[in-house]
Amino acid sequence: EAGVAQSPRYKIIEKRQSVAFWCNPISGHATLYWYQQILGQGPKLLIQFQNNGVVDDSQLPKDRFSAERLKGVDSTLKIQPAKLEDSAVYLCASSLGLNNEQFFGPGTRLTVL
Amino acid sequence: AQSVTQPDIHITVSEGASLELRCNYSYGATPYLFWYVQSPGQGLQLLLKYFSGDTLVQGIKGFEAEFKRSQSSFNLRKPSVHWSDAAEYFCAVGPILTGGGNKLTFGTGTQLKVEL
Repeated sequence: EAGVAQSPRYKIIEKRQSVAFWCNPISGHATLYWYQQILGQGPKLLIQFQNNGVVDDSQLPKDRFSAERLKGVDSTLKIQPAKLEDSAVYLCASSLGLNNEQFFGPGTRLTVL
Repeated sequence: AQSVTQPDIHITVSEGASLELRCNYSYGATPYLFWYVQSPGQGLQLLLKYFSGDTLVQGIKGFEAEFKRSQSSFNLRKPSVHWSDAAEYFCAVGPILTGGGNKLTFGTGTQLKVEL
C-alpha cells in the first residue's frame, strides 16, 4: 500500500514570495491533516479536513496560509506571502476517519530567506 | 488545554544498553497517548498507543510504554537499544472521546543518539 505522498521535498524561497505544497493521502482515507514542525519543536496541527470539508483550522494563520481539498482527495497548502518564521517542515497526514490512526508523509522542508 | 512535556532534549546511550524516554502530559480526563519516531528526512511513524486496558503496552521494534495515571506519565522503554534506533521520538496526546484521531498535541521531542 502506498503511503502519504508529498511534494516538493525541499523548497527555498525569499520572504514575501508565495509557495504551495501538495499532498496525496493514502487511498480511501477520508481525513487529512497539515502540520507545521518548526526546528526543535513537535508538529503543530494547522488544519484538518474530513473529505473536502474543514473540521478544524483554529491554528491556521489565515492572513497568509490557505489550504484546500477540493475533491476530497489531494490537498494543497499555500503560503502567501511567506515570512522568515514560516521556515519549517510541513507534514501531511491522513487517516481512514476521525477516530483512526494517522499516517504521515515525509514532509516538505521550507526555508525562507 | 492539553499539553505534553518531554524533559530530555537529547539522550545518548550505548548500543545494547537499556533506554527510557520520559513523557508527562496534562489533560482533563484520561487521554489517548502515543509515541512516534521520526528518522532524518522521514515522516512520523507510530510506535505504540494507549487509551485503555493494560497499562503496559507493546509496540513495534521492541518498544514498550507504561501509562501511570498517578504520575501523568507515559514513558517509553526498550531493554536493548540498536544503532538503528537513533532518531527523534515524540510523545503525543489526543482526546479519548474521539479515539484520538484528531487534535493531537505533540511534545518537543527527544533526540536519541546511539554510541557503538
